[in-house]
Amino acid sequence: ELKVEQNPLFLSMQEGKNYTIYCNYSTTSDRLYWYRQDPGKSLESLFVLLSNGAVKQEGRLMASLDTKARLSTLHITAAVHDLSATYFCAVDPTGTASKLTFGTGTRLQVTL
Amino acid sequence: DTEVTQTPKHLVMGMTNKKSLKCEQHMGHRAMYWYKQKAKKPPELMFVYSYEKLSINESVPSRFSPECPNSSLLNLHLHALQPEDSALYLCASSQPFRDSLDYGYTFGSGTRLTVV
Repeated sequence: ELKVEQNPLFLSMQEGKNYTIYCNYSTTSDRLYWYRQDPGKSLESLFVLLSNGAVKQEGRLMASLDTKARLSTLHITAAVHDLSATYFCAVDPTGTASKLTFGTGTRLQVTL
Repeated sequence: DTEVTQTPKHLVMGMTNKKSLKCEQHMGHRAMYWYKQKAKKPPELMFVYSYEKLSINESVPSRFSPECPNSSLLNLHLHALQPEDSALYLCASSQPFRDSLDYGYTFGSGTRLTVV
């Protein structure tokens, strides 16, 4: 059974600080997705990582993928309050873009 | 149009009621999905339709019945639900094949379902 684990599950950080969220998965997959979810809202696509070594950046967020280690990271640079949300990674184990298995989620709280 | 539209946004239903959730997309995506999300948990896949045909059913109880009338519409028919079925139901769409232009999945805003 595919397992997708994130750590930490909860992260409280001050504005201006840097931190990294980790996503480990248990089966081979060469694509990985990151989503953001605000409370009571839907999922917003952040990054689609399609190959080993892929790195993408958008604003204060940068995501990377190491398929050999089955690890993806989401790095937050100089956090701001607006980044407070829950972040999910998701893996497509079928390799056919037909099914997503989500990680456990990381709830990020950025304090002033 | 880059949206997935879900209706209704909120639904309260009794255990003997029959209701339907609706999802519509006009992005030309040929795969559509239903996910269920309980509070503080990740979304869990329920059904996948690919080219209007049911391709994946994740052992969902028969009180949930999906329907894909055409490539733009996806319904979820609900009957005799239990209180534990209360959750956020998310619809999503994507292209159903491996593609270097894979932009991932687009999710709708969800239907918050409460079963009383």
